[in-house]
Amino acid sequence: GQNIDQPTEMTATEGAIVQINCTYQTSGFNGLFWYQQHAGEAPTFLSYNVLDGLEEKGRFSSFLSRSKGYSYLLLKELQMKDSASYLCAANEDQTGANNLFFGTGTRLTVIP
Amino acid sequence: ETGVTQTPRHLVMGMTNKKSLKCEQHLGHNAMYWYKQSAKKPLELMFVYSLEERVENNSVPSRFSPECPNSSHLFLHLHTLQPEDSALYLCASSAGADFGANVLTFGAGSRLTVL
Repeated sequence: GQNIDQPTEMTATEGAIVQINCTYQTSGFNGLFWYQQHAGEAPTFLSYNVLDGLEEKGRFSSFLSRSKGYSYLLLKELQMKDSASYLCAANEDQTGANNLFFGTGTRLTVIP
Repeated sequence: ETGVTQTPRHLVMGMTNKKSLKCEQHLGHNAMYWYKQSAKKPLELMFVYSLEERVENNSVPSRFSPECPNSSHLFLHLHTLQPEDSALYLCASSAGADFGANVLTFGAGSRLTVL
C-alpha cells in the first residue's frame, strides 16, 4: 500500500524561498519524484531522488530522507510563473514494474 | 508540446454513449500509462502497458477498456460511464516500465464530463 501526504495550498511572495514538504509510506520504495503542473497543462518532471540528500537543479532543489519517509522541494527566488501545483510521487517497485503513486498536489500561489 | 499528444482535449458524453480517448507519443518510449485526475484527489494509475503488453490494471471498472496497438499509440475506450467518472484523463509514457528512474512524460489530458 501507499500513502503520500503534502499540504493542499501554499502562498509565497515573489523573490522569496518556499519549501513544500511531502511524507510517504510505501512498500518497495524505489525513489521520489516531484512534478510541476500548471493549470490546464501536463505535469512536467522536476526532480528525482533515490538516495538520501539534496539534489540541486538551478532554482529548484529536492531533498530525500528514506529513513524518515520525507522529502521536500525547495524553490528559490520565486517568480510569478512558479504559481502551479507541485506533485510529490513515490515510485514503488511491484512485480518488476515501477509504478508512481502521487499525492494530491500542493497548489502554490506566488504573489507580488 | 511534451511529445505526448492527447485527443480530444475536451469530451462531453451521456451515460449511454461510447467514445474513445486517444494518446500518441513521439518519444520512442516503450511504456504508456493512463492516469485519472479528479479534483482534490491524487493522480490515480489506471493502466500500464510495456511493449504493448498490459502489465498493470489497477482495479479499474470494466466500463474503461484500454487498447495499445503499438508502442506509440494508446486508447481508452469508454462505455456506459457514470457521472463520477468525470475527470481529467492523463496519458503518459516512459522509456520503460521497469526502469528505476521511471520519468513519466505526460500529455495535457482529456477533460471528460459525463452527463
